[in-house]
Amino acid sequence: ELKVEQNPLFLSMQEGKNYTIYCNYSTTSDRLYWYRQDPGKSLESLFVLLSNGAVKQEGRLMASLDTKARLSTLHITAAVHDLSATYFCAVNDYKLSFGAGTTVTVRA
Amino acid sequence: GAGVSQSPSNKVTEKGKDVELRCDPISGHTALYWYRQRLGQGLEFLIYFQGNSAPDKSGLPSDRFSAERTGESVSTLTIQRTQQEDSAVYLCASSSRLADYQETQYFGPGTRLLVL
Repeated sequence: ELKVEQNPLFLSMQEGKNYTIYCNYSTTSDRLYWYRQDPGKSLESLFVLLSNGAVKQEGRLMASLDTKARLSTLHITAAVHDLSATYFCAVNDYKLSFGAGTTVTVRA
Repeated sequence: GAGVSQSPSNKVTEKGKDVELRCDPISGHTALYWYRQRLGQGLEFLIYFQGNSAPDKSGLPSDRFSAERTGESVSTLTIQRTQQEDSAVYLCASSSRLADYQETQYFGPGTRLLVL
């Protein structure tokens, strides 16, 4: 069974500082997704990482994938309040297997 | 429509009643998925449709859960004799290709089910 582990599960960020969320998974996969979920809302697709060494960036978020280490990271640069949300990574084994999510709170 | 839609958005029911949840995928999307999200947790896979067939029902928690899909459009998830542990948000997602299961899945807003 495919297992996906995220850490940390909770992250309190200070505005302007940098942070990283980690996603480890247990089997070979060449496609990994990052989603964002705001409270009471559905999931919004952030990134699709297609191959080893893939790096995608959008605004203050940057995601990378190391398929050999079975690790993806989501790096947040200079955190701002509107990044407060829960972030999920998911690995595609035709169905998506999700991590437990990282709840991010950005404080002034 | 522009995105995946689900109805109802909220459902409160009494233990033992049956409920039916509906999902309208993005037009042209051949693959459809149901997930469940319990409060404060990640998503659990329930069932996957390719067209109107369901090659993987392995995530359905019990025989009280069933799902159908009409052609390549609407899907309904039915929960019979609901139990309090069925309380969760039920999310539907669709993706565009039949053969390429690696297409990005787009999620609907979910149905929040509360069983009293």
